[in-house]
Amino acid sequence: DIQLTQSPSFLSASVGDRVTITCRASQGISSYLAWYQQEPEKAPKLLIYAASTLQSGVPSRFSGSGSGTEFTLTISSLQPEDFATYYCQQLKSYPLTFGGGTKVEIK
Amino acid sequence: QVQLVQSGAEVKKPGASVKVSCKASGYTFTSYSMHWVRQAPGQGLEWMGLINLRDGATVFAQTLQGRVTVSRDTSTTTVYMELSSLISEDTAVYYCARRATGTGQSDFWGQGTLVTVSS
Repeated sequence: DIQLTQSPSFLSASVGDRVTITCRASQGISSYLAWYQQEPEKAPKLLIYAASTLQSGVPSRFSGSGSGTEFTLTISSLQPEDFATYYCQQLKSYPLTFGGGTKVEIK
Repeated sequence: QVQLVQSGAEVKKPGASVKVSCKASGYTFTSYSMHWVRQAPGQGLEWMGLINLRDGATVFAQTLQGRVTVSRDTSTTTVYMELSSLISEDTAVYYCARRATGTGQSDFWGQGTLVTVSS
């Protein structure tokens, strides 16, 4: 199985900050990576797919990059509604796997 | 608009089975596949499996193989996930999520169904 390691697992930031979350895969997955945002008690929401393609309707302050084994999700200017948990997911091979999550909290 | 509406919360005893439904609307049902994902309380996301809604073919996580069944009813555009031999560790919110074409990400999600396993 392909393991995904997210870092950090927790981060504290302020409104307006630039935030970067990293996702490392245990083996190469090309660009078969998606990022999701999950607010408390809600279903996950797709942000980015194919490592860097912004899902329709997602604000442009979100961006993704990377290929192979290292990927990043960047929020260019953190907004109050961005405080949530973020997950990466590899879609290269079954079983599909998720990273452990990164909780973004208000400083 | 695409909607996935899941059945309500369930409480089950250990050893029992649970069946969760996911009613899809707003798109051509058989043109997509459907993922199932679960989330234990306070934990991360766990991919459970996938069903091709055109032909019914399935693939599951090895950890659940033999206990999970996923089926679909094309006449009602509903997908069903059944989990048997429940244990306390199966307590979780269960989500259905549409598999997008192309790279297969989950582009639309159901609201989730809480399954509690308790004696």
